Amino acid sequence: GQNIDQPTEMTATEGAIVQINCTYQTSGFNGLFWYQQHAGEAPTFLSYNVLDGLEEKGRFSSFLSRSKGYSYLLLKELQMKDSASYLCAVRLYNQGGKLIFGQGTELSVKP
Amino acid sequence: KAGVTQTPRYLIKTRGQQVTLSCSPISGHRSVSWYQQTPGQGLQFLFEYFSETQRNKGNFPGRFSGRQFSNSRSEMNVSTLELGDSALYLCASSLGGESNQPQHFGDGTRLSIL
Repeated sequence: GQNIDQPTEMTATEGAIVQINCTYQTSGFNGLFWYQQHAGEAPTFLSYNVLDGLEEKGRFSSFLSRSKGYSYLLLKELQMKDSASYLCAVRLYNQGGKLIFGQGTELSVKP
Repeated sequence: KAGVTQTPRYLIKTRGQQVTLSCSPISGHRSVSWYQQTPGQGLQFLFEYFSETQRNKGNFPGRFSGRQFSNSRSEMNVSTLELGDSALYLCASSLGGESNQPQHFGDGTRLSIL
């Protein structure tokens, strides 16, 4: 079967750096997405990795190691508005647009 | 550019009824996927439509069905509603194809079953 694991909750301090990990066990890996979802709102796209390495986008970076089935999302200079759920999702080969999501990591940023 | 639009935003139904949810994708997007989100199960894939054809289906009972129209708009239908169908139903659109294009989500329809 397909399995994606993320920590359920994390807490960090405003201005700090936080790393949210995601491990996956899937067959036919074809890319990994990170989404941010504020309470009561739609998930919004943050980043995409299909090759090993680091992708940087402003305060947010995402890393992928396909051999280890591992990814992380790095958030720098945390702001209060970063308090949200962060969702890791995997796309598989020959599965079209279907995404398999982890349960999400609820991040609380405290002053 | 308008985003993904889902209607209605909120819906209250009773057990045994049926419901139809609507999704208008971003202009130019040909793929529409539907997901169910609940606190216990997270986001679970229901099905995907591309060029009016169901391209993929998740592990949901046959009471859940959908369709896509020639303008890429999609509808999802749930028949014989059960209490466990209470959830946020999210629609996502993308250009389509096996690409790195992300899916863009609508705000969802929150369905409550009494």
